[in-house]
Amino acid sequence: DVKVTQSSRYLVKRTGEKVFLECVQDMDHENMFWYRQDPGLGLRLIYFSYDVKMKEKGDIPEGYSVSREKKERFSLILESASTNQTSMYLCASSSLGYLKLNIQYFGAGTRLSVL
Amino acid sequence: DQQVKQNSPSLSVQEGRISILNCDYTNSMFDYFLWYKKYPAEGPTFLISISSIKDKNEDGRFTVFLNKSAKHLSLHIVPSQPGDSAVYFCAARGIISNFGNEKLTFGTGTRLTIIP
Repeated sequence: DVKVTQSSRYLVKRTGEKVFLECVQDMDHENMFWYRQDPGLGLRLIYFSYDVKMKEKGDIPEGYSVSREKKERFSLILESASTNQTSMYLCASSSLGYLKLNIQYFGAGTRLSVL
Repeated sequence: DQQVKQNSPSLSVQEGRISILNCDYTNSMFDYFLWYKKYPAEGPTFLISISSIKDKNEDGRFTVFLNKSAKHLSLHIVPSQPGDSAVYFCAARGIISNFGNEKLTFGTGTRLTIIP
């Protein structure tokens, strides 16, 4: 079974704090993704990575950065948290190779509240 | 601009009846379409997919139909069961680089409630 583990289920932070969200996958997947889920907006892609030390901006990268130092681990960083970053954050991973469909497997999510 | 749209935020269906969830898209370059199911406090889980060269794919109680000319897909669940109550997201895959990097664009979700 594919396992994507997000380090925290719930986080409460103050405005201006630096926040780290961690994600680990155990399937040796090349691709890893960070999304945020908001009511009425669905899942929106923040950043993704297709290899160690590689990163690509998604649809809403402003206010976020990422780090991928090891293949199994992908971190999302909020440099200076703001209240509009209060959301559910979801990490996903998948294999690489566009000739076939690569299913994205999701973690359980981290609900972040910024006060 | 919302490339994948689910226009019904919620749907209630009697147990045993058919549930039909709809999704529209605008980008004709999407090559696969997927449905994910999400329970509260859990991550989305993959349910079923369809290639853009097909018009139907079936897996047990779940069938996805694709109408390319209308840029529309639908998920049929027959018969609906209480455990099907969840939020359903449709997603579309696009290839975004020469290296084969791909991304999914998700709809806004439909909350399905099965009434016992």
